[in-house]
Amino acid sequence: DQQVKQNSPSLSVQEGRISILNCDYTNSMFDYFLWYKKYPAEGPTFLISISSIKDKNEDGRFTVFLNKSAKHLSLHIVPSQPGDSAVYFCAARRDKLVFGAGTILRVKS
Amino acid sequence: DAMVIQNPRYQVTQFGKPVTLSCSQTLNHNVMYWYQQKSSQAPKLLFHYYDKDFNNEADTPDNFQSRRPNTSFCFLDIRSPGLGDAAMYLCATSREYHNEQFFGPGTRLTVL
Repeated sequence: DQQVKQNSPSLSVQEGRISILNCDYTNSMFDYFLWYKKYPAEGPTFLISISSIKDKNEDGRFTVFLNKSAKHLSLHIVPSQPGDSAVYFCAARRDKLVFGAGTILRVKS
Repeated sequence: DAMVIQNPRYQVTQFGKPVTLSCSQTLNHNVMYWYQQKSSQAPKLLFHYYDKDFNNEADTPDNFQSRRPNTSFCFLDIRSPGLGDAAMYLCATSREYHNEQFFGPGTRLTVL
């Protein structure tokens, strides 16, 4: 039972453009949502989060949007940089973290 | 630098031969987690410790055990590895349950 889904296995974006990574969830009891970024041979690192009582959180080039009615969140990266190329995991929390399968982002220079 | 360290980074074992994966942390966090991640799948929580209190996920096979002898170290023991246990094993820590989790680089386990 996949409670958190990232339906796009990969995304390719030109440097300077916007990257939009999407995540859908099924459990309305999740109270916190997080994005993690993972480089090869490294563990996932926390990127940005949002509480279920908010609909937007911004940190520099990264913005997360939450649409609770649609059970959907997205991560926007503007402008995208080659160093953003990584695997991005969406995670949702109630009493534990539930992860999506990840989206590979490639930013082309 | 405070961090989460996993050893070894790559582990090869034979079918049925017990194996132990190690995780250590310098963050002095209360909670330590073990996740299993198979290729192109989401990391899946196996169990976690809050201090010395062990919490097993309901669907974690009995073949998987864990030990936390002190705050800094946590071990994952796989008693009789099967081919289906080949995966990346990630250790993570957090200060409290609802705090950010810090991950180690993972141990990739191959079962021959």
